Amino acid sequence: GAGVSQTPSNKVTEKGKYVELRCDPISGHTALYWYRQSLGQGPEFLIYFQGTGAADDSGLPNDRFFAVRPEGSVSTLKIQRTERGDSAVYLCASSPSGMNTGELFFGEGSRLTVL
Amino acid sequence: GQQVMQIPQYQHVQEGEDFTTYCNSSTTLSNIQWYKQRPGGHPVFLIQLVKSGEVKKQKRLTFQFGEAKKNSSLHITATQTTDVGTYFCAGPRGGADGLTFGKGTHLIIQP
Repeated sequence: GAGVSQTPSNKVTEKGKYVELRCDPISGHTALYWYRQSLGQGPEFLIYFQGTGAADDSGLPNDRFFAVRPEGSVSTLKIQRTERGDSAVYLCASSPSGMNTGELFFGEGSRLTVL
Repeated sequence: GQQVMQIPQYQHVQEGEDFTTYCNSSTTLSNIQWYKQRPGGHPVFLIQLVKSGEVKKQKRLTFQFGEAKKNSSLHITATQTTDVGTYFCAGPRGGADGLTFGKGTHLIIQP
């Protein structure tokens, strides 16, 4: 596709449930990032992939959060035992090569609401 | 860790007035980027500044990078309703890949 695609656009779940959020980056972009944005705040870094490997997962808040990118393209962010504090918009972004040399292309985000 | 701070958090202006948002980093930055997020939308890249003292213009928008490469500003001349949104600055994550974003300045325009 032309841009970064994220699904679902909205997800409402109950506390304690498991959630998967999917990101399909721009074709050919090797760098992929997950960010979390709470209301009124800036995007907060979660994890960065270069190709298939998680090059930096230092932003993941705890071990309930995990992300994969098995074939170096689509990525899935997985949240176990969701808590109300996990409610936010989860943004995915990609860039051609990473290395902080150019813009990030963001998807529309997945809005997660934990009841 | 590296922090990027923006002021003001909110700015109300009358349509046609000018607007400025300021960004300050706790560390020297190799570059700084600016993004705009419309209400309900996602961040969209505006510009990247790399050189000390650099000034770039995009129509009514003027971006500056400080001489010490620790601060930056975005100035909009004669705001229009299409300028409504949140403006974020972002710098490299101190030795790591990815960006650290400021909290943004929310621009509200009253017609």
